[in-house]
Amino acid sequence: QVQLQESGPGLVKPSQTLSLTCTVSGGSISSGSYYWSWIRQPAGKGLEWIGRIYTSGSTNYNPSLKSRVTISVDTSKNQFSLKLSSVTAADTAVYYCARDKVAVAGTVLDVWGKGTTVTVSS
Amino acid sequence: AIRMTQSPSSLSASTGDRVTITCRASQGISSYLAWYQQKPGKAPKLLIYAASTLQSGVPSRFSGSGSGTDFTLTISCLQSEDFATYYCQQYYSYPRTFGQGTKLEIK
Repeated sequence: QVQLQESGPGLVKPSQTLSLTCTVSGGSISSGSYYWSWIRQPAGKGLEWIGRIYTSGSTNYNPSLKSRVTISVDTSKNQFSLKLSSVTAADTAVYYCARDKVAVAGTVLDVWGKGTTVTVSS
Repeated sequence: AIRMTQSPSSLSASTGDRVTITCRASQGISSYLAWYQQKPGKAPKLLIYAASTLQSGVPSRFSGSGSGTDFTLTISCLQSEDFATYYCQQYYSYPRTFGQGTKLEIK
C-alpha cells in the first residue's frame, strides 16, 4: 500500500525558505488519478491546506500563501516538494504531505504522511 | 474562501453513546464534504467523503449526512478508540478549507 514520508530541516531561520520533500513508496507517483498535497497544522490548532500538484505539473495553491509557495514534483524520484519563502514564526507547524484521490466527484485526502515539525526561529 | 464551522467545539461522551457533530459551510458545497479523525500526535485519517460515503476500512458505526450547507457526522456506538478530534473539509472549491475541529472526550 502507498505510504508517504516527509523529510527536511526541522528548524528554519526567519526570512529564509522552508523546503520539504515527500517521498512516495509502495506505488508510482505517476499512476492513477491522484494529486499530491501539502497541509499544515500549528501546534494545538486546526488544519490549513497549502496546495497540491498533479504529475503533469499543474498546481493549485491557497491564495493566503500563494505568493510564497512553490510545489514541484520529481517523478523519477517518486517525490514531490514544498518550498515556502520568507518564513516567519507564524509558519511554525507540523507539515503533512498527502495523496489527493479522485473520489465520486472532486478529490479527497486519503493517504497522509506522519508529518514533520518545522520550527521557524533564529 | 468557504468557511467551515463545526459544532460543538468539544464534546464529552461515554463509551456506547451515540454522538453527532455538525458542520456548516458558509455557502453551498453540494456533497463535496469529507470528515477526518485525528488522534494526538498522528496524521488525520479519512473517514467519510461525498458527505456520506464511508472510506474503505472505516467501521460502519460512523455515518455522514447532509448536502448544501449543513452536514452531520454520527458515531452510533462510541468505542474507546473513537475519542479523538474530528474535522470536516470542503472540496467544492479552492482553497480547500477545514472546520476548526471537534474534540471528542471521555466523560
